[in-house]
Amino acid sequence: DAKTTQPPSMDCAEGRAANLPCNHSTISGNEYVYWYRQIHSQGPQYIIHGLKNNETNEMASLIITEDRKSSTLILPHATLRDTAVYYCIVRLLYNQGGKLIFGQGTELSVKP
Amino acid sequence: ETGVTQTPRHLVMGMTNKKSLKCEQHLGHNAMYWYKQSAKKPLELMFVYSLEERVENNSVPSRFSPECPNSSHLFLHLHTLQPEDSALYLCASSQDVGRGGTDTQYFGPGTRLTVL
Repeated sequence: DAKTTQPPSMDCAEGRAANLPCNHSTISGNEYVYWYRQIHSQGPQYIIHGLKNNETNEMASLIITEDRKSSTLILPHATLRDTAVYYCIVRLLYNQGGKLIFGQGTELSVKP
Repeated sequence: ETGVTQTPRHLVMGMTNKKSLKCEQHLGHNAMYWYKQSAKKPLELMFVYSLEERVENNSVPSRFSPECPNSSHLFLHLHTLQPEDSALYLCASSQDVGRGGTDTQYFGPGTRLTVL
């Protein structure tokens, strides 16, 4: 699976949009981009995933560049409860064994 | 109850004890997973089960013994653990294994294990 690079930490003001970047320059055509988050000492929570097109759900939006070498997760109106570590993961379309390889992620702090 | 549940949420055990962690998923999924998360380290995949058959075992010591009696339940039996096994143990489930978008994994809250 391709490797991802994320900033170790970010701050965001409550009510503002949080834009979390992820670089995956070695991504191949059959690899998805997944985002999870983990609030302290809880299990990871699935947020969103995409292959080529931008995606939006009730939690967030995922913007993937045209060359697919980077993506941005957008939380449109961050709240204090969005404070967590956010993981960007790239995985094969037909990944045998179900591997999700978590890196260090980005620690997002939403401040009042 | 919905989602993925794990019991107990916290467990303290001695090195000579035998204990079991339980995971139950209420999502109708076919695949279940055990992960380990040690302090300041990324999640590590331990075991994968698909339709009650083990499909992956990532070089986990034999003192960890998984059991999957049906597609809704997954156990992790623990015996003669070491203090370095103290960690957050996470269970996850997915619809299938190895089909990309259809195998999004959903995690339980985890069991915080402390080995004395």
